[in-house]
Amino acid sequence: SQTIHQWPATLVQPVGSPLSLECTVEGTSNPNLYWYRQAAGRGLQLLFYSVGIGQISSEVPQNLSASRPQDRQFILSSKKLLLSDSGFYLCAWKGYREKLFFGSGTQLSVL
Amino acid sequence: DAKTTQPTSMDCAEGRAANLPCNHSTISGNEYVYWYRQIHSQGPQYIIHGLKNNETNEMASLIITEDRKSSTLILPHATLRDTAVYYCIVRVGAGGTSYGKLTFGQGTILTVHP
Repeated sequence: SQTIHQWPATLVQPVGSPLSLECTVEGTSNPNLYWYRQAAGRGLQLLFYSVGIGQISSEVPQNLSASRPQDRQFILSSKKLLLSDSGFYLCAWKGYREKLFFGSGTQLSVL
Repeated sequence: DAKTTQPTSMDCAEGRAANLPCNHSTISGNEYVYWYRQIHSQGPQYIIHGLKNNETNEMASLIITEDRKSSTLILPHATLRDTAVYYCIVRVGAGGTSYGKLTFGQGTILTVHP
């Protein structure tokens, strides 16, 4: 069966520090992958999606970037975090019949 | 993707049916209705989806009106663990240029109380 792993679960980082969040999927090949962010009290916002290795599409301009170095690995990065980057970050993959399956999320607090 | 409108919040007594409405008056013929829910501090979870026929699975039932301009998600016997934000999303099915992206609105906060 397919599983999605996302870590860490929580992260506290100072302003200006770098960020790297990793997401891996098991049990499927060539999945579409997605990064979403949920700010406190707000809805889910799609940040990036990828349809294959090295293929990244950005949905909103921001301080973040994404990479897909391997088929089942999706990484969210930042060179210098801003306070506004705080939020709940979720990775997802697209399965059968267009269903999205989400990871457990990373709660990022930038102080 | 078509825009959806949901009530901001709803209450339901434990053991009773929870009926969550969604309006999607601008839905196109090739767009499906998807429902997800998000329990606090967790990722969203797929519940059910449909095109025009009513659908039922182990989690819920989906009733879509004949004109497809609205739908209702039914949790037949709500439990305290069903307390969550429920999202109604309308989008095209497989193919096209959406690449599987989902646009989440604000959803309905369902509170199930004892």
